[in-house]
Amino acid sequence: EAGVTQSPTHLIKTRGQQATLRCSPISGHTSVYWYQQALGLGLQFLLWYDEGEERNRGNFPPRFSGRQFPNYSSELNVNALELEDSALYLCASIRTSNSPLHFGNGTRLTVT
Amino acid sequence: KNEVEQSPQNLTAQEGEFITINCSYSVGISALHWLQQHPGGGIVSLFMLSSGKKKHGRLIATINIQEKHSSLHITASHPRDSAVYICAVNSGGYQKVTFGTGTKLQVIP
Repeated sequence: EAGVTQSPTHLIKTRGQQATLRCSPISGHTSVYWYQQALGLGLQFLLWYDEGEERNRGNFPPRFSGRQFPNYSSELNVNALELEDSALYLCASIRTSNSPLHFGNGTRLTVT
Repeated sequence: KNEVEQSPQNLTAQEGEFITINCSYSVGISALHWLQQHPGGGIVSLFMLSSGKKKHGRLIATINIQEKHSSLHITASHPRDSAVYICAVNSGGYQKVTFGTGTKLQVIP
């Protein structure tokens, strides 16, 4: 089965611009999680979508937003980019609470 | 205090050594995951546990639900085991997943 896919692999933006990151979960997985991993730091929870609804969000400003589509793919939008938004953004999907987590390879966002 | 605490944060071992990484959590969980992240970012799921013990090759994961504690053991460690090992727990009514900050392991030949 195809794994979790994320696009693009790398994204370079300038401060103030908007970035859109995409994630396709494994077929049959309805839950999608977004995480930010800044250089040298652990995974920081951003957003959790399940069955098309936002279920929870981490301690990030409102300019981090997203959505989940009917096919369970998801989009993360970051508005008004700041330099400190430069990080690896990882998407993970899970079928149920008793299933393994599956991660994509991430999108490396660089804000200049 | 974080809901998921890992120790140690950094670990250097000689090839062949037995390694233990610990994870303690403070919430009720439905499952605990051990993940491996290599340089470059890719994360691989090693184990998903809700009780007892699991073994895969040289890796062993245990969990004690009463003590809210899990350990990841690596036997006969090898330089290719060098990575960040992350503990994550599923908790909450909506399957909230919380991650530990990771343990960076370096195995020296």
